[in-house]
Amino acid sequence: GENVEQHPSTLSVQEGDSAVIKCTYSDSASNYFPWYKQELGKRPQLIIDIRSNVGEKKDQRIAVTLNKTAKHFSLHITETQPEDSAVYFCAASGGTSYGKLTFGQGTILTVHP
Amino acid sequence: GAGVSQSPSNKVTEKGKDVELRCDPISGHTALYWYRQSLGQGLEFLIYFQGNSAPDKSGLPSDRFSAERTGGSVSTLTIQRTQQEDSAVYLCASSRGQGGYEQYFGPGTRLTVT
Repeated sequence: GENVEQHPSTLSVQEGDSAVIKCTYSDSASNYFPWYKQELGKRPQLIIDIRSNVGEKKDQRIAVTLNKTAKHFSLHITETQPEDSAVYFCAASGGTSYGKLTFGQGTILTVHP
Repeated sequence: GAGVSQSPSNKVTEKGKDVELRCDPISGHTALYWYRQSLGQGLEFLIYFQGNSAPDKSGLPSDRFSAERTGGSVSTLTIQRTQQEDSAVYLCASSRGQGGYEQYFGPGTRLTVT
């Protein structure tokens, strides 16, 4: 089945800096890659996603890039704000994991004011 | 509109008891998923319902776990003879169609087995 590795496990940045979180996946047939933000005690919230037919997608301060050849994808947050502090999860689905999400282990992002 | 809802929000049970967790998906969403979130294991897939198709049960950790989806809407996850290692947050998600795209999560049920 699919395996997703996520790095780093923790990330600390100053307000206004950029943050980058990276994930690799194992199943070359996977075709959908969402990112979720989870604040303490809250549900995971879908913030952006990308399908395998595009290489990059942007939504205001967040962007996701996908490299199918290398089987990795990344989340980029620019101009970070304290309210961006949360745990971020990447996930993959498709191929042998059709319909179900396989998650990375999560990145704790802390944005210092 | 209303999001995914789950009940109860918290459940404390004694080891060996059975528990039922409920999920109400977003209206019109044909796909429903259960995941489990625990400190040591992250977010792990349990089971996936798509329309009237047979569910994908490949993530259920043991035969003590089962789930039903009635009328293509509400789902119940049942854990029989609970064990301490079942303690976790059980999350339900739903999506509009096939393929697992754009899954929206409920608030979860925190299960504690004493």
